[in-house]
Amino acid sequence: NAGVTQTPKFRVLKTGQSMTLLCAQDMNHEYMYWYRQDPGMGLRLIHYSVGEGTTAKGEVPDGYNVSRLKKQNFLLGLESAAPSQTSVYFCASRQTDSFIAKNIQYFGAGTRLSVL
Amino acid sequence: AQSVTQLDSQVPVFEEAPVELRCNYSSSVSVYLFWYVQYPNQGLQLLLKYLSGSTLVKGINGFEAEFNKSQTSFHLRKPSVHISDTAEYFCAVSQNYGGSQGNLIFGKGTKLSVKP
Repeated sequence: NAGVTQTPKFRVLKTGQSMTLLCAQDMNHEYMYWYRQDPGMGLRLIHYSVGEGTTAKGEVPDGYNVSRLKKQNFLLGLESAAPSQTSVYFCASRQTDSFIAKNIQYFGAGTRLSVL
Repeated sequence: AQSVTQLDSQVPVFEEAPVELRCNYSSSVSVYLFWYVQYPNQGLQLLLKYLSGSTLVKGINGFEAEFNKSQTSFHLRKPSVHISDTAEYFCAVSQNYGGSQGNLIFGKGTKLSVKP
């Protein structure tokens, strides 16, 4: 029972490089989310998706792009990485088919990204 | 706009002592409330939630929280902590209607350190 899987787990980039973080969920969830976690800041929402083919901006979307071509995958892209994007990135997903289930987000283990 | 304030960034406590982690929120509309736990180098795990009904909510690992609407608080408590409770704890709120329904807003986290 994999749940939410994030790849890679660790990555070091140089300023200006690009990369894509992959989030995959096997729970048939409609909603998916990308957060970043910085020390003393909690988690902040970058982008989210309410279904296949849809995306929306969260609290801190600048410098990131996302795509949801398949229901089970949510990709987070950094076109030109900056040191300010050094962070731990978490993906989450949730259902929409019941009152209780639609209010529980399931998180992946995170991706630690350093931009030098 | 909604916000979450966790009043203590770090809470040191001795094993078997009681602990309370404080959380206050602000919102002009009704919300759902959550506590998540993050063990070192892991993702977030749901500890407990308040969606409706009884204001005293029991979660996993012996934790409980009480929703106080008049004080806009949702403090987390445990009567006797263990070394294994050492982790970072996040309080979160979600809006229960509208276009951002289900999106979580997190507090900055409280690091609980249990000493022998």
